[in-house]
Amino acid sequence: DAKTTQPPSMDCAEGRAANLPCNHSTISGNEYVYWYRQIHSQGPQYIIHGLKNNETNEMASLIITEDRKSSTLILPHATLRDTAVYYCIVRSVNYGGSQGNLIFGKGTKLSVKP
Amino acid sequence: NAGVTQTPKFQVLKTGQSMTLQCAQDMNHEYMSWYRQDPGMGLRLIHYSVGAGITDQGEVPNGYNVSRSTTEDFPLRLLSAAPSQTSVYFCASRAGQGVSPLHFGNGTRLTVT
Repeated sequence: DAKTTQPPSMDCAEGRAANLPCNHSTISGNEYVYWYRQIHSQGPQYIIHGLKNNETNEMASLIITEDRKSSTLILPHATLRDTAVYYCIVRSVNYGGSQGNLIFGKGTKLSVKP
Repeated sequence: NAGVTQTPKFQVLKTGQSMTLQCAQDMNHEYMSWYRQDPGMGLRLIHYSVGAGITDQGEVPNGYNVSRSTTEDFPLRLLSAAPSQTSVYFCASRAGQGVSPLHFGNGTRLTVT
């Protein structure tokens, strides 16, 4: 089973920040938080990942709470092209055996509206 | 760099037929995997490989075989297709160590009638 909980859907106005929450209360010390998105039926696209510090790249920012039990993906200025399903996943980087596999949940369907 | 390339993009099979879904990557990635995605659901892991000559089962391996004779290729074989295998199949790869993200192909849409 996926180790994360996300709302099934969210709306965001174009040009506004989209804040997508994720709960991962059972995360362990060697697990990173990863975010991917899937537009239409394309292959999932990597967005960002982090361990405990906040991270930012050209696509998004990732805010992880101090206790690491939840995180928020921020798309600072959402556009219509950001409409997609967003997946929050935790993964161990000590990937002996199956620990390194990505286990997808159902994600959050983000709809960006004009 | 082409990244992860999947062929074919679309395929229709009759029940009982066999076929191989091809996956190739040109990034020298050690880890490769296959997922299937059914309507309204997330991706489910079928098989994965942590390097040439090494494969293992994921969540839903029944009805599928894999092999990894080279670093570049990771084909998925359906020996006797069933309607329940109608799905979209995604191949993915990443560098073997550490925190490297997974890179996905654009998928193969398979229909079994």
